[in-house]
Amino acid sequence: QKEVEQNSGPLSVPEGAIASLNCTYSDRGSQSFFWYRQYSGKSPELIMFIYSNGDKEDGRFTAQLNKASQYVSLLIRDSQPSDSATYLCAVAYNNNDMRFGAGTRLTVKP
Amino acid sequence: KAGVTQTPRYLIKTRGQQVTLSCSPISGHRSVSWYQQTPGQGLQFLFEYFSETQRNKGNFPGRFSGRQFSNSRSEMNVSTLELGDSALYLCASSLDVDRTQYFGPGTRLTVT
Repeated sequence: QKEVEQNSGPLSVPEGAIASLNCTYSDRGSQSFFWYRQYSGKSPELIMFIYSNGDKEDGRFTAQLNKASQYVSLLIRDSQPSDSATYLCAVAYNNNDMRFGAGTRLTVKP
Repeated sequence: KAGVTQTPRYLIKTRGQQVTLSCSPISGHRSVSWYQQTPGQGLQFLFEYFSETQRNKGNFPGRFSGRQFSNSRSEMNVSTLELGDSALYLCASSLDVDRTQYFGPGTRLTVT
């Protein structure tokens, strides 16, 4: 069974703080990992992807991957109210299969 | 480059009817995946097509089916609609399924 688990939240952080979003996955054959952001009433949009162990930074966003622990996270620095959305973790498996977590709802309070 | 388009955007059907939704992927993308999204269940994988072949299927009943044409456009069909089929149906295209998926705006289906 291929599982992608996320804390559903809501996660609430003050403006300017660091928001930390976590995701665990069950299949060690996982190859690629993605973070999507979805605003209410809109479709998901890609924030970033990561393939290798370690950190990957893109502006205020940092994705962290630890394959040994089957754990991927997303850090949002200097959180803004416009970051308030649901964040979806997605995992691509070897056999052409992509699965999404249920998402974590983030609220950034001014 | 044009994004993923889905038609129709909104649909209202009654129980027992069938519905066909359409998805046009980004030019050059051969993989098309379909998802059902509901507030309680999140994003649920329906199926994925690549070069007109269904490669993966999620855990949905046989009432849900799909196909992909030679131009990579895809359709999904739901027969004998049930109230629980009310959801946002999202289509995503990519070069291949393990690459970045780009989502369309979705079709909001309401079954009454």
